[in-house]
Amino acid sequence: IVLTQSPGTLSLSPGDRATLSCRASQTIASNYLAWYQLRPGQVPRLLIYHASSRATGIPLKFSGSGSGTDFTLTIDRVEPEDFAVYFCQQYDGSLDSFGGGTKVEFK
Amino acid sequence: QLLLQESGPGLVNPSETLSLICSVSGDFFDTNTYFWGWIRQPPGKALEWLGTIYYGGSPRYNPSLKSRLTMSVDVSKDQFSLRLNSVTAADTAIYYCVRRPYCLSCRYFDTWGQGVQVTVSS
Repeated sequence: IVLTQSPGTLSLSPGDRATLSCRASQTIASNYLAWYQLRPGQVPRLLIYHASSRATGIPLKFSGSGSGTDFTLTIDRVEPEDFAVYFCQQYDGSLDSFGGGTKVEFK
Repeated sequence: QLLLQESGPGLVNPSETLSLICSVSGDFFDTNTYFWGWIRQPPGKALEWLGTIYYGGSPRYNPSLKSRLTMSVDVSKDQFSLRLNSVTAADTAIYYCVRRPYCLSCRYFDTWGQGVQVTVSS
């Protein structure tokens, strides 16, 4: 399953809402999709699993939605620590795969 | 809080074997309720799942690397490891060790190491 993330780069100001898209080449059953945040010099962290379940310790401003082939990660009121690269991952197919990532940068 | 830390050579010669170790600390190295694995990110490319292993079980490898990849768990040292032989420049990447919950519908990675840069070059 190929995952396509858009946009490649999202330029935002603190306080903006971020909407990140992850589109799958075929239907992902049971919403087996996760989102991760990668910040330079930081340990990557799991944000969302099963498309909409927040991982332990993840703030409410991060939310996941979607089903089938179209999934979205939303970050309400972006803060400086949210500027990072975000990846989606599907774990429905026989082979786990990741999207190419969306970079959220400071406008 | 569980911490994962990768270690290994930053530079490997082409055709040789890459060996990495992931040290587990900060919490119990629970080999009963978690899988342990590796993911890498080549420069400018997407993350790539390499494989996962459950202590006492057969590892599961990415088919594209299966012939070159070996993973193992050493509970006495609170470590798990990766060996990738016959490396080429295409194996240059940041390598992450990861943890995955042990359940059929849980093939996501809830804990990551910081990553180690590995360059294949002579």
